Amino acid sequence: GENVEQHPSTLSVQEGDSAVIKCTYSDSASNYFPWYKQELGKGPQLIIDIRSNVGEKKDQRIAVTLNKTAKHFSLHITETQPEDSAVYFCAASGPSGSARQLTFGSGTQLTVLP
Amino acid sequence: GAGVSQSPSNKVTEKGKDVELRCDPISGHTALYWYRQSLGQGLEFLIYFQGNSAPDKSGLPSDRFSAERTGGSVSTLTIQRTQQEDSAVYLCASSPRGSNTGELFFGEGSRLTVL
Repeated sequence: GENVEQHPSTLSVQEGDSAVIKCTYSDSASNYFPWYKQELGKGPQLIIDIRSNVGEKKDQRIAVTLNKTAKHFSLHITETQPEDSAVYFCAASGPSGSARQLTFGSGTQLTVLP
Repeated sequence: GAGVSQSPSNKVTEKGKDVELRCDPISGHTALYWYRQSLGQGLEFLIYFQGNSAPDKSGLPSDRFSAERTGGSVSTLTIQRTQQEDSAVYLCASSPRGSNTGELFFGEGSRLTVL
């Protein structure tokens, strides 16, 4: 089955700096890669996703890049703000791209220091 | 509200007791998932319901765990004879039928502590 590894497990950055979180996956058939943000005491919420037919996707201060050859994808947050502090999870999904086949990484605790 | 609702938000129980956790999905969402989140860990898939189809129970860690979904809506996750290693946050999520985005809509979770 799919295996998703996520690094780093914790990340601290100064407000205004950029943050990068990286994930690798094992199943070359995976074709859907979402990122979820989990604030303290809340459930995870989808913030951005990418499918295997594109290499990069941006939404304001966040972007995701995908390298299918190397089987890794990354989340980039620019101009970080204190409200970006949260746990971020990457995930990979099998050929159908359905939520049922999602395998999650172990999460990254991002702290943005004021 | 229109989100996924879970109860109780917190549950403390003694080892060996049974617990029931409830999930009320977003109205109209036919797919429902249970995940377990242990401290410092990722999201571990437990079980998946889709409409009237037989549930996918492949993630349940032992026969002490079971879940049902009545009327295609509310779901209950039951843990029998709880053990300390069952302590975790249990998250429920739903998604719309036919969605090809894969987006899951999560509740805030039920934190279970087994003493």
